[in-house]
Amino acid sequence: AQSVTQLGSHVSVSEGALVLLRCNYSSSVPPYLFWYVQYPNQGLQLLLKYTSAATLVKGINGFEAEFKKSETSFHLTKPSAHMSDAAEYFCAVSGGNNRLAFGKGNQVVVIP
Amino acid sequence: DTGVSQDPRHKITKRGQNVTFRCDPISEHNRLYWYRQTLGQGPEFLTYFQNEAQLEKSRLLSDRFSAERPKGSFSTLEIQRTEQGDSAMYLCASSARQSSYNEQFFGPGTRLTVL
Repeated sequence: AQSVTQLGSHVSVSEGALVLLRCNYSSSVPPYLFWYVQYPNQGLQLLLKYTSAATLVKGINGFEAEFKKSETSFHLTKPSAHMSDAAEYFCAVSGGNNRLAFGKGNQVVVIP
Repeated sequence: DTGVSQDPRHKITKRGQNVTFRCDPISEHNRLYWYRQTLGQGPEFLTYFQNEAQLEKSRLLSDRFSAERPKGSFSTLEIQRTEQGDSAMYLCASSARQSSYNEQFFGPGTRLTVL
């Protein structure tokens, strides 16, 4: 079975500061890992994905994440936060059976 | 390509009533998934179809829930005798063989409120 842990439900970041969202996973098979963003009353939009190719993955809107097998982590970063980054972010893992297991999410608040 | 669509976007019902939601996947996506998201939580897997075959069901999918995808295109999710605990956002997603099914595209969701 696969699972994901995201700590700190609410994350506040100043505009222009680094955004760092942590994700640790558990998987009995080589994982596929994903970060999704959700804006209020909308569905999930894929930010980026790791599917066993390059360990540093670049996504949309300036986000990137690094897969570290030794740490079972897939943390999401963005060098400079923008007001439009305020949203909820979910890390998810798949073990190849295509069902996604999501973390509880991080609500990001950007402070002007 | 218009993306995954879901109907209705919002549904308010009284406890004990039946409700049905519809999902239209991206055309030519032969896998379709249903997830449920409660307040403050991440989405939880309910079930998925490959074409018209329902291949997996979560333990979350009680006997009151039934999903169909009769022609391998759109899907419906029915909840019978709704309970207040069924209040949630119901999300649909689809994926394609071309991406090895690794990327799931989500619809906007149907928000169910059971009074």
